[in-house]
Amino acid sequence: NAGVMQNPRHLVRRRGQEARLRCSPMKGHSHVYWYRQLPEEGLKFMVYLQKENIIDESGMPKERFSAEFPKEGPSILRIQQVVRGDSAAYFCASSPLAAPSNTQYFGPGTRLTVL
Amino acid sequence: SQQGEEDPQALSIQEGENATMNCSYKTSINNLQWYRQNSGRGLVHLILIRSNEREKHSGRLRVTLDTSKKSSSLLITASRAADTASYFCATDSMGLIQGAQKLVFGQGTRLTINP
Repeated sequence: NAGVMQNPRHLVRRRGQEARLRCSPMKGHSHVYWYRQLPEEGLKFMVYLQKENIIDESGMPKERFSAEFPKEGPSILRIQQVVRGDSAAYFCASSPLAAPSNTQYFGPGTRLTVL
Repeated sequence: SQQGEEDPQALSIQEGENATMNCSYKTSINNLQWYRQNSGRGLVHLILIRSNEREKHSGRLRVTLDTSKKSSSLLITASRAADTASYFCATDSMGLIQGAQKLVFGQGTRLTINP
């Protein structure tokens, strides 16, 4: 039973380029969450999605960031025109239900470095 | 603003000793969870304690929750070198849409077990 998969594990982009981060949830999980972790800090919530729906994007920057979770395929976190401040580890988590007691299972993360 | 605050920020003990980490939070919660993160890796779920529970055990882990003080503690008994990691508490926080469950993380405690 594969866990949450994220790719790439490491991504290097130059300022102004686009970054695409992919997340495949655990089998049977239909809820996906994206978090960002800056060095030496805890994780900060970005967005919560179900299949074809954005449920809560209160943690997403207003510009350049977008997320989707299509009916088929992985969830994508897209960062346009990256800047150095976007350098961070981006974690995806999934859960089977939205009930309050459900645990979120985390992927290994994508470490984005913006040069 | 951060919901959870871990204390201490860093802890260094000898192998075999017990390690205690504390977490405080600000708002009412449904559950509190503890996660471990090894350097440069993803998060591993350790234990979840519900708001109506006061104590929970899992192997060498013991978690307490005091909702009146809005605090939790994680005790690791008979520590091992492999326990060296960062430990985060995470509280669920109802999002804008009922049923949404984003996790709010503290800054973490960096635990070092010296052999």
